[in-house]
Amino acid sequence: GENVEQHPSTLSVQEGDSAVIKCTYSDSASNYFPWYKQELGKGPQLIIDIRSNVGEKKDQRIAVTLNKTAKHFSLHITETQPEDSAVYFCAALTGFQKLVFGTGTRLLVSP
Amino acid sequence: ETGVTQSPTHLIKTRGQQVTLRCSSQSGHNTVSWYQQALGQGPQFIFQYYREEENGRGNFPPRFSGLQFPNYSSELNVNALELDDSALYLCASSSVAGGPSNEQFFGPGTRLTVL
Repeated sequence: GENVEQHPSTLSVQEGDSAVIKCTYSDSASNYFPWYKQELGKGPQLIIDIRSNVGEKKDQRIAVTLNKTAKHFSLHITETQPEDSAVYFCAALTGFQKLVFGTGTRLLVSP
Repeated sequence: ETGVTQSPTHLIKTRGQQVTLRCSSQSGHNTVSWYQQALGQGPQFIFQYYREEENGRGNFPPRFSGLQFPNYSSELNVNALELDDSALYLCASSSVAGGPSNEQFFGPGTRLTVL
């Protein structure tokens, strides 16, 4: 079945450093890849997404890259701030608009 | 623009009981998807509703059922609750003319505890 693997499960960085989270998907028909940020006690918040017809997308300090051949996509956060601390989920859209999520990465940004 | 809202925020039930969770989609959105998120895991797709019909279902038993109303709000019903049903239940809305869109926006969730 469809599967999304996400690494690392935890990531600790110092404020100002960059953070990279990587995901691999299995369904070659997937064409939409969102990233969500989830803070404690809240629902996932869509922070950036990418479609299969582009290789990279950037929004201020956040960027996402996609390699369709390798079925890899990654989230890059530059100049991290303490408020970036949260759990980040990657996902791939499969079949009938079903999102398949990775297992999450807990990012901790220390001041 | 009003975001996705869910009620109740928290709920405690005992094994064997039934529960109904509610979701109001974001203004202008006509599609609602439900997800179950167990502690420490990513959300798992339960089903999706579009134009008041189930538009796809994940690997959940028939005791998980849903409805969508003409105003696009939705309900998730779970019968014969089991301990493993304890989770955060998330509703996500999306929309595009002519069919479901890609971007899904989540509500805050309902935390269900089954004792």
